[in-house]
Amino acid sequence: DAGVIQSPRHEVTEMGQEVTLRCKPISGHDYLFWYRQTMMRGLELLIYFNNNVPIDDSGMPEDRFSAKMPNASFSTLKIQPSEPRDSAVYFCASSSGGLSYNEQFFGPGTRLTVL
Amino acid sequence: ELKVEQNPLFLSMQEGKNYTIYCNYSTTSDRLYWYRQDPGKSLESLFVLLSNGAVKQEGRLMASLDTKARLSTLHITAAVHDLSATYFCAVDRNLQGGSEKLVFGKGTKLTVNP
Repeated sequence: DAGVIQSPRHEVTEMGQEVTLRCKPISGHDYLFWYRQTMMRGLELLIYFNNNVPIDDSGMPEDRFSAKMPNASFSTLKIQPSEPRDSAVYFCASSSGGLSYNEQFFGPGTRLTVL
Repeated sequence: ELKVEQNPLFLSMQEGKNYTIYCNYSTTSDRLYWYRQDPGKSLESLFVLLSNGAVKQEGRLMASLDTKARLSTLHITAAVHDLSATYFCAVDRNLQGGSEKLVFGKGTKLTVNP
């Protein structure tokens, strides 16, 4: 398997623009997680899905952030409008609920810079 | 609320030396995970510990879990430069079934000097 795929790998945008990050989980995994990593706050869970349904979005910082999972092989994280404080690395991870444990596999991340 | 604390947060050590990273967590769980992150890279799964007394070893790294003490350790033996990275521990609540959200520690940045 190719692992978790994220695109784009790097995104530079201006404040106020819409940003869409994309993720393809590992085939067969039914859990998908979106994280944000910054130096100041470390690794934060934003939202996670099970079988395409959002389970916990309590980590989404504010209404400017939204996430969807229209099917088992694709998810998006959208920021509209973007702000400089959104600059971070955004990771997507997936795991299999068929196991008795929760080993998550991370994608390469998207490094977002908002000017 | 489940909290995970790692110490030290920064560790500088010489090649050939041994050291231990500690991970404490606040609520009952018997599932603990260790990840490695190289600078500018993603997180890579190192160990999955699923029961009290579990011990796993890979090369110069050995992880153990004491669920009664709510403590996991990552022991480094005879460190080499290639082990320089940030190491995270993570815990999930011991709920029935498979995946749940992980709570990560802040990470331990390890630098191994020649």
